[in-house]
Amino acid sequence: EPEVTQTPSHQVTQMGQEVILRCVPISNHLYFYWYRQILGQKVEFLVSFYNNEISEKSEIFDDQFSVERPDGSNFTLKIRSTKLEDSAMYFCASRGAGTSGDNEQFFGPGTRLTVL
Amino acid sequence: RKEVEQDPGPFNVPEGATVAFNCTYSNSASQSFFWYRQDCRKEPKLLMSVYSSGNEDGRFTAQLNRASQYISLLIRDSKLSDSATYLCVVNKVGSNYQLIWGAGTKLIIKP
Repeated sequence: EPEVTQTPSHQVTQMGQEVILRCVPISNHLYFYWYRQILGQKVEFLVSFYNNEISEKSEIFDDQFSVERPDGSNFTLKIRSTKLEDSAMYFCASRGAGTSGDNEQFFGPGTRLTVL
Repeated sequence: RKEVEQDPGPFNVPEGATVAFNCTYSNSASQSFFWYRQDCRKEPKLLMSVYSSGNEDGRFTAQLNRASQYISLLIRDSKLSDSATYLCVVNKVGSNYQLIWGAGTKLIIKP
């Protein structure tokens, strides 16, 4: 069964450093998402990406964040200068070609980011 | 009022019992509703979408009450493997893509 993969599974970084979180969505999917979940809290939408551009972003997704689809398979989230409060689990998700909001989003296993 | 609100639990339920929990949403114009399941430190996985007429998938039944702005999830004949956090998710009105997530209800099934 096709699945979304994410690397690394755990990233530890120093405050102020740049990190890149990587995702490989399901191959025929066209819509891509990043979510964040701080430990013990709810899942929060960060950004959606379609047709090589950002479709929507939340208030959390400020200038420190950027996304890219550098080739036909990877989808990356970059945090330019990490802060302590960026420590969280970051989930990538993708969904198929339908335009309906009901289409299932498939989630990757997440990258746990720890900022020291 | 929170956009999506759930009782955090935990609900401690004996194996084989029936358990139900609700979720309320604040925006009456919301159109899409989902229940996701999340195991500890794992990714959310779609359990079921919630349709206006209600829907059932095996032991799981989801209902939507638009008048009172809540959705419900009923689990019959609960199994130990049902232990998880159940997340209520609603589309963000005016958005094509954003989902709003509840904080989840923790369910613990005891043998």
